[in-house]
Amino acid sequence: EIVMTQSPATLSVSPGERATLSCRASQSVSSNLAWYQQKPGQAPRLLIYGASTRATGIPARFSGSGSGTEFTLTISSLQSEDFAVYYCQQYNDWPQTFGQGTEVEIK
Amino acid sequence: QAHLEQSGAEVKKPGASVKVSCKASGYTFINYRISWVRQAPGQGLEWMGWISALNGETKYAQKFQGRLTMTTDTSTSIVFMELRSLRSDDTAVYFCARGIAGFDPWGQGTLVTVSS
Repeated sequence: EIVMTQSPATLSVSPGERATLSCRASQSVSSNLAWYQQKPGQAPRLLIYGASTRATGIPARFSGSGSGTEFTLTISSLQSEDFAVYYCQQYNDWPQTFGQGTEVEIK
Repeated sequence: QAHLEQSGAEVKKPGASVKVSCKASGYTFINYRISWVRQAPGQGLEWMGWISALNGETKYAQKFQGRLTMTTDTSTSIVFMELRSLRSDDTAVYFCARGIAGFDPWGQGTLVTVSS
């Protein structure tokens, strides 16, 4: 199965700063990659699909890039509600697999 | 808008089965597949499989083959996920989610606790 590796495990960022999260696939997943945000006690929320397309209602400060094996989620100016855990997921091959998550915490 | 509502928390003994429901509303039920994902306490997300609401076609992750069954009831727009031969490491929150390429939306989750 395709292994998704996210880095860093924890990212400490001040409100208003830029956050850059990375996701690497063990083999090419083309652009079949999604990003999710999860807050404690809540279900994940889809942010990005197709590596770079924002889901409905997602603010423009969230952007995704990459293809093949290297992907990036960028939050241009962190708001208080953005502190959460972020997961990448590949849906190019079965089984679909998730990264282990990156926690974005307040610095 | 699309919404998925799951059944309530369950406590089961090892070896038992659990059946979790996921009721869809706000969209045309048969137009989408429903995926199931679980999350053990303090852990990440694990994809389990999906079911077509149109024709009941399923695809399961290999690790669950033989003890996982997903079904649908198109008359009520409900999807069911049944996991058998439960073990302590099946303790997790189980989520349903619409779609198979970018899951949106998700149900609120159902906590299944397996304990003797």
